[in-house]
Parts: sequence; C-alpha cells; structure tokens
Amino acid sequence: DAGVTQSPTHLIKTRGQHVTLRCSPISGHKSVSWYQQVLGQGPQFIFQYYEKEERGRGNFPDRFSARQFPNYSSELNVNALLLGDSALYLCASSHRESGYTFGSGTRLTVV
Amino acid sequence: DQQVKQNSPSLSVQEGRISILNCDYTNSMFDYFLWYKKYPAEGPTFLISISSIKDKNEDGRFTVFLNKSAKHLSLHIVPSQPGDSAVYFCALGYDQGAQKLVFGQGTRLTINP
Repeated sequence: DAGVTQSPTHLIKTRGQHVTLRCSPISGHKSVSWYQQVLGQGPQFIFQYYEKEERGRGNFPDRFSARQFPNYSSELNVNALLLGDSALYLCASSHRESGYTFGSGTRLTVV
Repeated sequence: DQQVKQNSPSLSVQEGRISILNCDYTNSMFDYFLWYKKYPAEGPTFLISISSIKDKNEDGRFTVFLNKSAKHLSLHIVPSQPGDSAVYFCALGYDQGAQKLVFGQGTRLTINP
C-alpha cells in the first residue's frame, strides 16, 4: 500500500513566479495537511483539508492557497514567490485511528 | 512566540546508553503529544505518542513521559543504537476544529559506536 506521495520532489523557481505542489494521501484517508519546514526549524502548519473543505489555516499570507479534490488528493499553491519561501513542503494525511503520516516532501528553492 | 521548544539542538550519546530528548511547551490546551523521527531527504516518521490522561507510554526501546504540571515532555531511548541517529521532533496538538500539530525545532541525535 502506497504511503503519502508528493510531487515533484525538488523544484527551483524564480522570485515572483508561482508554484503548485501536489499530494496524494494514503488510500482511505480523507484529511490532508500541509506543513512548511525551513532549514533548522520544525515543520509549521499551513493548511488542513477534510472532505474537500478547509478546516484550518496557519499564520501564512494569502499568497498561500490550497484545495482538495474529490479523490482526496490536494494541491498547495504559492503565488509571487519570495526567497523566504524556500523550504521543504510536507504533506500529511490522517485518519482518526491511525494518526498522521507524512510524505517525503517537496524541496522548493526560490532564486 | 514559540509554544513548543526543544532547547537542545543536538545530542551525542554512546551506543548502548540512554538517550533523553526533552520538549517544553507553554499552551496548557495541548492534549495529544507525539514524537517524530526524521532522516535527511525523508518526511517525519511517527515514533510514539501519549495522551494527556497518561504520564508514561512505552513501545519497545522508546518511552515517552509527560509531566503536565511542568508542561514537559521527554523521550527516552534505551539502549541507543546507531540507527537511532536522526533528528527528533516533538509535536503537540489539540482539537481546535483543525488537526494542527505544533512542532518543536528538533534535536539532532547522534549515536556513537
């Protein structure tokens, strides 16, 4: 059974561009959360989606948006990229009984 | 304003000895407490958790202790093995409509042969 899959694994973008990151949760998991991990820090909560609805949002600017599709996969979009957006973006899927499982992340570098 | 703190960025322990990783928090609303392990180029992997109604939970070599009055969480690994070398994060949460985890900054554990 596949775990949480994220694509792409690595990405380099220029300041001002936008980026779309993708996540497929574990089969049967209806909740997807996004986290940003800057080097030397712990992951920070960006969004949670459950059954295609936003359940929570962290302290991130409106340049960050996300959505969840009927098959429970999710996209994270970041507009007007800044150098400070360079980070590892982690997706986690969860189910009541099984807790959180993280994907391997997308390493975004903004130059 | 950091609600969750891991004050030791790194820890070095001899193989076979006990590793103790610590985590302090300020928000008394947290009611579930988890530890994750992270290797380079991988996502965090769940290790062990404890609910707010317990003060200890064991799983093999790993034991998590919770002191709610001190707002302190610790992870004990005994005996430590070279494969335990990784970055360890504590992650805390409470039901606020969203399942949001607040992570500490991480502690890099190195087990020396």
